[in-house]
Amino acid sequence: AQTVTQSQPEMSVQEAETVTLSCTYDTSESDYYLFWYKQPPSRQMILVIRQEAYKQQNATENRFSVNFQKAAKSFSLKISDSQLGDAAMYFCAYRSAPETSGSRLTFGEGTQLTVNP
Amino acid sequence: DGGITQSPKYLFRKEGQNVTLSCEQNLNHDAMYWYRQDPGQGLRLIYYSQIVNDFQKGDIAEGYSVSREKKESFPLTVTSAQKNPTAFYLCASSSYLGSAEQYFGPGTRLTVT
Repeated sequence: AQTVTQSQPEMSVQEAETVTLSCTYDTSESDYYLFWYKQPPSRQMILVIRQEAYKQQNATENRFSVNFQKAAKSFSLKISDSQLGDAAMYFCAYRSAPETSGSRLTFGEGTQLTVNP
Repeated sequence: DGGITQSPKYLFRKEGQNVTLSCEQNLNHDAMYWYRQDPGQGLRLIYYSQIVNDFQKGDIAEGYSVSREKKESFPLTVTSAQKNPTAFYLCASSSYLGSAEQYFGPGTRLTVT
C-alpha cells in the first residue's frame, strides 16, 4: 500500500516571502499522480497543483510550484510571494493510475501554514 | 452551477442511532468517495464507488455503509456500530480518467453524544 508522509505539522512564513512544504511518499508503482490540496478555515478542499509522474517537468501554477524528485519519492510545494490568503492546512496526496487500483487518493497528515503580516 | 452538495452542514445525533449523510453531484462523474477527517489529521477513505451499484471498502469502513443507486448520489450511513463517529465527513467525486482531480463537497460535521 502507498503511504504519504508530511514531516512538518506546522510552518510559518512572512507575507511576501517564500516557503517550501515537504512531502515524501512510498510506492512500488511507476505510473501515478501527485497532488497538493489546500484546506482553509472554511474546510473546503481546494486543489492547488497536480503532477503526473511520467512528466519530468515540474508543475507550476502562478505562485505555486513543485519540486518533484521521482527517484527520491519527494514532492515538495513552494509558495512564492506568500499572501495572507495562503494560510491553510496543506495536504499532499497520491493517486495510483486508474488502471491499477481505481482513482482513490492517499493523503498525508497535513501541514498547517501560518502567514504572518 | 456544477458541483457537489452535502447536507446538512452540521448534524447532531444521540449515541446508538444510525444517521445518513447526503452527497449529491451534478458533474457527471463516475467515481465518488467518502472521507473522514479528525482534528489535526489527514483524510481517511471510508468507501468509494467507481460505478453505479458497485462500491468498495476503503481503509476505515467498519461501522459505515453506503449505496450507489444513482450516478449522482452516494449517501453514507453511520451506524451505531461505529465506535467513535464524531468527525468531519467529506464527500468527493472524480472522473475516472488520467490525472483527473477529486472535487470535494463542503463537508458535514457530525457530533454524536
